[in-house]
Amino acid sequence: QIQLVQSGPELKKPGESVKISCKASGYTFTDYAMHWVKQAPGKGLKWMGWINTYTGKPTYADDFKGRFVFSLEASASTANLQISNLKNEDTATYFCARAPQLPGYYYVMDAWGQGASVTVSS
Amino acid sequence: DIVMTQGALPNPVPSGESASITCQSSKSLLYSDGKTYLNWYLQRPGQSPQLLIYWMSTRASGVSDRFSGSGSGTDFTLKISRVEAEDVGVYYCQQFLEFPLTFGSGTKLEIK
Repeated sequence: QIQLVQSGPELKKPGESVKISCKASGYTFTDYAMHWVKQAPGKGLKWMGWINTYTGKPTYADDFKGRFVFSLEASASTANLQISNLKNEDTATYFCARAPQLPGYYYVMDAWGQGASVTVSS
Repeated sequence: DIVMTQGALPNPVPSGESASITCQSSKSLLYSDGKTYLNWYLQRPGQSPQLLIYWMSTRASGVSDRFSGSGSGTDFTLKISRVEAEDVGVYYCQQFLEFPLTFGSGTKLEIK
């Protein structure tokens, strides 16, 4: 069955970096885009951007330009999110979510990972 | 950015009753192809979100027909018929007409 399995919780200090992975299984990886969504503790959902898994092209929401990098290890059906120069406000759960790479469906997130918790604290 | 505003529910909702969740967008989500670019998701307690409805009124695969979506270009409703215990959680609307994709702040459903 379709699964998106994310890496485990991380505890980091301000200024450090973190890399979150999202391993896909049960479908053809390059048929679906991968989106990233942030959820701060007790808060709602915020879209960070997406990566086209066929071309490798990332697109970032304005609030996530600069310190955030989406990447792929296509041979391992894995999408990654790297955050550098961590700040306290990066403390959140980060979800990966797939969407069909078809016209009209690129932004319909039909399966989600379980979430990866990142805590930034000195 | 397109702002999505969600209404609250008069919680708790009695089991077996219907519940309607409203969502309003700051810009029409009706595109020139005739589709309305709005999704609905449910996030159950301690879980990741799941897709319920896309293009305003199309149910996602495996979603109960107790869930239905409707609306106009800027005003939308998710109706849940005969609410059950498994419907508990936070419901989010999300527009995908323009970048950045934006979500509503969420509407919590509790069952009595």
